[in-house]
Amino acid sequence: SQQGEEDPQALSIQEGENATMNCSYKTSINNLQWYRQNSGRGLVHLILIRSNEREKHSGRLRVTLDTSKKSSSLLITASRAADTASYFCATGYSSNTGKLIFGQGTTLQVKP
Amino acid sequence: EPEVTQTPSHQVTQMGQEVILRCVPISNHLYFYWYRQILGQKVEFLVSFYNNEISEKSEIFDDQFSVERPDGSNFTLKIRSTKLEDSAMYFCASSQLLYGYTFGSGTRLTVV
Repeated sequence: SQQGEEDPQALSIQEGENATMNCSYKTSINNLQWYRQNSGRGLVHLILIRSNEREKHSGRLRVTLDTSKKSSSLLITASRAADTASYFCATGYSSNTGKLIFGQGTTLQVKP
Repeated sequence: EPEVTQTPSHQVTQMGQEVILRCVPISNHLYFYWYRQILGQKVEFLVSFYNNEISEKSEIFDDQFSVERPDGSNFTLKIRSTKLEDSAMYFCASSQLLYGYTFGSGTRLTVV
């Protein structure tokens, strides 16, 4: 398998707290992306980080990538109840097809 | 903001029947994909499509599956003879470059 695991599998926090999710993978990547999925709905692209980047920000989101450890983290700061969703990392490889390999996901619950 | 549109949102079919899932990608996108997500599991790659041909397919995408871009706007996934284990959410995605997808909201396929 090219993809590792995400942890934690489930996370429950209070509104206003920060949430950190981790993703590991097994083989060299071209890029890593994070997606959000609300229950039973489609996948929303959050952020893409390339293999030569170490950190990227988008609003309240901060993504880091450590290619030596083959891992990434997604930090959501000052969480809101509306952030309640499943979060998936997906890895892209050096190919000409654009295929993504998804992790198992982290289910985040933000309590108001 | 441009969207990827999938129809129908939910399809119920009898085992052994053929189904066609339809997608309208974003108009200037060049790369097209189908993924599926069995309930409670991770998102799995099925097939990528570029320049009117399949560029990569997974082991899941066997002879029962086919894709077409019949008229330059629609992108369809056909399952010839559905099995119970084909029950899943099917997502279409498109991208202008290799990465940076836009996903549709999915078609929930239930095989009975």
